[in-house]
Amino acid sequence: DAGITQSPRHKVTETGTPVTLRCHQTENHRYMYWYRQDPGHGLRLIHYSYGVKDTDKGEVSDGYSVSRSKTEDFLLTLESATSSQTSVYFCAIMGGRGYEQYFGPGTRLTVT
Amino acid sequence: GIQVEQSPPDLILQEGANSTLRCNFSDSVNNLQWFHQNPWGQLINLFYIPSGTKQNGRLSATTVATERYSLLYISSSQTTDSGVYFCAVESTSGTYKYIFGTGTRLKVLA
Repeated sequence: DAGITQSPRHKVTETGTPVTLRCHQTENHRYMYWYRQDPGHGLRLIHYSYGVKDTDKGEVSDGYSVSRSKTEDFLLTLESATSSQTSVYFCAIMGGRGYEQYFGPGTRLTVT
Repeated sequence: GIQVEQSPPDLILQEGANSTLRCNFSDSVNNLQWFHQNPWGQLINLFYIPSGTKQNGRLSATTVATERYSLLYISSSQTTDSGVYFCAVESTSGTYKYIFGTGTRLKVLA
């Protein structure tokens, strides 16, 4: 258990509303990631962070922004949610003995 | 960017059978992991294996980095092995970005 929690675990929102998902870790890991999982696509990287205030884009970053103001929290924001952003969102950290990723429990987001 | 392909996409086994899952990648990698996603959606680390062979109980994995593939072996399968198995690789770019394959969906029948 890498001490990763995600909130909320489930959310239903309407098209056009802003949404923020939170990832919290307790073990001071430097690298944190946000992925989305959709049928037929596996997990795709949205954004990742390599330190406080240091972030970079992944392969599906359009429509998403992130922030990391402290080591333990990595926030994913959908500025104006669309139905295509209905998905399961996973947060991960890189840690353990080296370069292993560990995942949080996921957040199921439905945009109606 | 690097491409990751997993095969087969779907697999149905009778309890007690053995299986081999394959992960091919298109370029050199620094890191490689295998994950199991259980029917409740939880992603569980199986192996961190950028090269060589590892074993953990009924599961073992081998990565041949020079030939750009990794294999996951499941022996004496159990119904609790059901779920989706993902391979994820990090290229040699040094960015620590992992790319996932689309997974192998395994169903083990009692």
